[in-house]
Amino acid sequence: NAGVMQNPRHLVRRRGQEARLRCSPMKGHSHVYWYRQLPEEGLKFMVYLQKENIIDESGMPKERFSAEFPKEGPSILRIQQVVRGDSAAYFCASSPVPATGGYTEAFFGQGTRLTVV
Amino acid sequence: GEDVEQSLFLSVREGDSSVINCTYTDSSSTYLYWYKQEPGAGLQLLTYIFSNMDMKQDQRLTVLLNKKDKHLSLRIADTQTGDSAIYFCAESSPHDYKLSFGAGTTVTVRA
Repeated sequence: NAGVMQNPRHLVRRRGQEARLRCSPMKGHSHVYWYRQLPEEGLKFMVYLQKENIIDESGMPKERFSAEFPKEGPSILRIQQVVRGDSAAYFCASSPVPATGGYTEAFFGQGTRLTVV
Repeated sequence: GEDVEQSLFLSVREGDSSVINCTYTDSSSTYLYWYKQEPGAGLQLLTYIFSNMDMKQDQRLTVLLNKKDKHLSLRIADTQTGDSAIYFCAESSPHDYKLSFGAGTTVTVRA
């Protein structure tokens, strides 16, 4: 059973371009979480999705960022018109059941390192 | 609050014990976690502790929790070169799937 797969591992974008980050959850997992890690900071929650639904996007910046998890295919985190401050590591995690009640059995991918030049 | 603090670097000699410390501010935290990130890899859950426990041991790993002081530590006995990695402390609250992470402690094991 392959782990959570993220691609690309590294992504370089010029300011103003779009960045698309992909996350394929573990087999059988229908709950996906995106986290962002800025340099020398901890991972910060961005968004929680189930298949075809956004459950919680309270950690997403109000503009330029969007996420989806379609019925078929990977979850996509899209950043439009990237700026230097978007440079970070973006991690995706998945779980087999809703991660509620405190204990979160979340399996993380390797992350996508986005660099905006 | 959801602040989780940990020191950024730790250097330890091979064979010695490593102790990584973490403090958190959310008194409603129910679970506290330690994740390990090796170079180029994702975060791997090492261990976790429920807030009504004060100690948990798993082979070379010992987790200590001082709930009164909101202090969590991870002790790695007989540290090996393969233990060189970034270690993240994280916490979650009741009925909340979000994890709050510290910035990570980079552990370097020297021969």
